[in-house]
Amino acid sequence: DIQMTQSPSSLSASVGDRVTITCRASQSIRRYLNWYQQKPGKAPKLLIYTASSLQSGVPSRFSGDESGTDFTLTISSLQPEDFATYYCQQSYSTPWTFGQGTRVESK
Amino acid sequence: QVQLVQSGAEVKKPGASVKVSCKASEYTFTTNYMHWVRQAPGQGLEWMGRINPNSGATTYTQKFQGRVIMTRDTSVNTFYMELSSVTSDDTAVYYCAAEGSGGWVLVYWGQGTLVTVSS
Repeated sequence: DIQMTQSPSSLSASVGDRVTITCRASQSIRRYLNWYQQKPGKAPKLLIYTASSLQSGVPSRFSGDESGTDFTLTISSLQPEDFATYYCQQSYSTPWTFGQGTRVESK
Repeated sequence: QVQLVQSGAEVKKPGASVKVSCKASEYTFTTNYMHWVRQAPGQGLEWMGRINPNSGATTYTQKFQGRVIMTRDTSVNTFYMELSSVTSDDTAVYYCAAEGSGGWVLVYWGQGTLVTVSS
């Protein structure tokens, strides 16, 4: 199985901050990497697919990048509604696997 | 817009089986896969498996092999996930999630079904 290692597990930030979350795959997954946002009591919501494509309706402050087996999700200017938990997920091969999640909290 | 509506919360005793349904509307039933993902309380997301809506072929993660069955009923646009021999470790919210038209990503999610296993 492909392991997805996400870091940090949590971070504290303020509105307006630039936030970066990293996800590393245990082997090549090409660009089959997706990012989701989850708020308490809600289903996950797709933000970014295939490493850097922005899902329709998602604000442009969210972006994704890829360098080999390392992937990043960046929020350019954190907004109040962005405090949530973020997960990466690989869809290169089954079983699909998720990172452990990164909780973004208010400083 | 695809909508996925799941069945209500369940409480089961250890050793029992639970069956969760996921009714899909505005969904191209014969194309992209339907997946099941679960989340234990306070924990992360765990992919359980997927079903091909057209053929009914399934792929399960090894952890659930022999205990999970995913099916679909095209006549009522509904998918099912049945988990047998449940233990307290199976207490979780179970989500169905559908791929988008391009595949490879979970675009549409159900609202989740809480399954509680308790004696």
